[in-house]
Amino acid sequence: AQSVSQHNHHVILSEAASLELGCNYSYGGTVNLFWYVQYPGQHLQLLLKYFSGDPLVKGIKGFEAEFIKSKFSFNLRKPSVQWSDTAEYFCAVISGNTGKLIFGQGTTLQVKP
Amino acid sequence: NAGVTQTPKFQVLKTGQSMTLQCAQDMNHEYMSWYRQDPGMGLRLIHYSVGAGITDQGEVPNGYNVSRSTTEDFPLRLLSAAPSQTSVYFCASSYGGTLGDNSPLHFGNGTRLTVT
Repeated sequence: AQSVSQHNHHVILSEAASLELGCNYSYGGTVNLFWYVQYPGQHLQLLLKYFSGDPLVKGIKGFEAEFIKSKFSFNLRKPSVQWSDTAEYFCAVISGNTGKLIFGQGTTLQVKP
Repeated sequence: NAGVTQTPKFQVLKTGQSMTLQCAQDMNHEYMSWYRQDPGMGLRLIHYSVGAGITDQGEVPNGYNVSRSTTEDFPLRLLSAAPSQTSVYFCASSYGGTLGDNSPLHFGNGTRLTVT
């Protein structure tokens, strides 16, 4: 069955530190990959997405993610985090033969000012 | 544009009661879905629909029913509420929802359900 795993459940960083959140998925065929963010008290918003082409995808607010097919990974990165990046981050995958968008467990990021 | 509208925002039920969570979108999206969000478990797909008249089960469908009689509406029914169904429920929609569709999910604001 298709699954998504986020290994970091809770990350605490100081402002200006670099961020990398891990995401691995289990499906071996063609996939579309997403990162969503949920700020406190709000619903999910799309950060970035990968469908095809350049495996390095740039999203909003300085975030980027790299699709590494051989590692079944789609890690999220940001060179320098801000206090306003405090939120919960979700990786999600949709695979061709299911039509289902499956989310990972989420990673809570806390940025200290 | 109203986007995705969920009602109610909050609901308290007693064990065994039934209720329907409403979801409506005005973007002519074919794909609609219901998720529940629980601490440490992320969002889990309950049911989804790729168009009017078509529904399918997600990861955790037990205890929930859905129907899709129109493109706009996708209600979620709890047949006999249980404390394990205490959660925050999100409805989401997108233009296509299938592989290769270049449109993200639009989420509603959520329904916080407590079952006592």
